[in-house]
Amino acid sequence: GNSVTQMEGPVTLSEEAFLTINCTYTATGYPSLFWYVQYPGEGLQLLLKATKADDKGSNKGFEATYRKETTSFHLEKGSVQVSDSAVYFCALSQFGNEKLTFGTGTRLTIIP
Amino acid sequence: DGGITQSPKYLFRKEGQNVTLSCEQNLNHDAMYWYRQDPGQGLRLIYYSQIVNDFQKGDIAEGYSVSREKKESFPLTVTSAQKNPTAFYLCASSTRGETQYFGPGTRLLVL
Repeated sequence: GNSVTQMEGPVTLSEEAFLTINCTYTATGYPSLFWYVQYPGEGLQLLLKATKADDKGSNKGFEATYRKETTSFHLEKGSVQVSDSAVYFCALSQFGNEKLTFGTGTRLTIIP
Repeated sequence: DGGITQSPKYLFRKEGQNVTLSCEQNLNHDAMYWYRQDPGQGLRLIYYSQIVNDFQKGDIAEGYSVSREKKESFPLTVTSAQKNPTAFYLCASSTRGETQYFGPGTRLLVL
């Protein structure tokens, strides 16, 4: 079956540091890949997505590239802000399958 | 504004009681979903519906029930058979096969 493995948290960084959150997946075929963000006490918001190999999703300074050869979709940001503190979820879905498969989430805290 | 609303924000359940969580969307999405989130874990799918009057079990459907009588609404009932109901419940919707968008969630607590 499908699975998503995320970097264990929590992750604590100083403001303006470089961020990487690792995500690897197991799936047959060519899944679509997503990063969702959850702020405290709220639902999930779509951060970015990529639907085919070598696509780069980007939003709000965050980027992730769909790497078929390494089955990875690592999230990066060049300079984090305090407002980026949240839980980040990597997820996948497959065409024709309604289900999203989630990783366990990575809690990110940015300190001033 | 288009979006997904969930109510209530907090819900308290007594032992042996059934409770119903509301989810409404005005995005004209065909598909709707219910997920459960436990601390430190990812989301797990409870039920989903691709079309009105039809729904399928997800990975953890035991102790839950749903209905889909209207396109806009997908209520979730947590029955007394669910022995560990304390969790954060998230509703989502999508155009079939497209990105899922989430509501703000309902936190269910047991008294």
